[in-house]
Amino acid sequence: DIQMTQSPSTLSASVGDRATITCRASQSISNWLAWYQQKPGKAPKLLIYKASSLESGVPSRFSGSGFGTEFTLTISSLQPDDFATYYCQQYNTYPLTFGGGTKVETK
Amino acid sequence: EVQLVESGGGLVQPGGSLRLSCAASGFTFTDHYMDWVRQAPGKGLEWVGRTRNKAKSYTTEYAASVKGRFTILRDESKNSLRLQMDSLKTEDTAVYYCVVVTVFPGAFDGWGQGTMVTVSS
Repeated sequence: DIQMTQSPSTLSASVGDRATITCRASQSISNWLAWYQQKPGKAPKLLIYKASSLESGVPSRFSGSGFGTEFTLTISSLQPDDFATYYCQQYNTYPLTFGGGTKVETK
Repeated sequence: EVQLVESGGGLVQPGGSLRLSCAASGFTFTDHYMDWVRQAPGKGLEWVGRTRNKAKSYTTEYAASVKGRFTILRDESKNSLRLQMDSLKTEDTAVYYCVVVTVFPGAFDGWGQGTMVTVSS
């Protein structure tokens, strides 16, 4: 199975800060990587697919990059609505696997 | 607009069975891959399994943790996705989400609201 490792597990930041979350795959997944945002009690929401493609309707302050085994989600300027938990997911190989999550909290 | 509405969650004893349903609308049900994803209380997301589209004969894939116990089925007449869960264990306790991939190969771009399954004596 491909292991997805996210870091950090918690990120403390303020409104206006730049936030960067890293996801590492245990083997190459090309660019078959997605990022999701989840708020408490809600279903996850797709933000980024194919490592760097922005899902329709998602604000442009969200961006993704990477290829192979190293990937990054960047929020250029944190807004109050962005405090949530973020997950990466590979869809290159079965079983499909998620990272452990990164909680972005208010500093 | 894609809509997925899960139902069928509840409390079941270890070793018991439960069937979840997901009513789908807003897309051509037979054309798309659909999955189940679960989330144990306070934990991260775990992929449960997938059914491919009709062109791929609705073939399935499962996570090792549920293979042989869970079965994913489609009911075309009702545009409904089902998850038959047998031999349930306490570790199957989770919110179960129905998910659709509208552009393949692609990410999970449509999610239901989830239904809670509790396995406890």
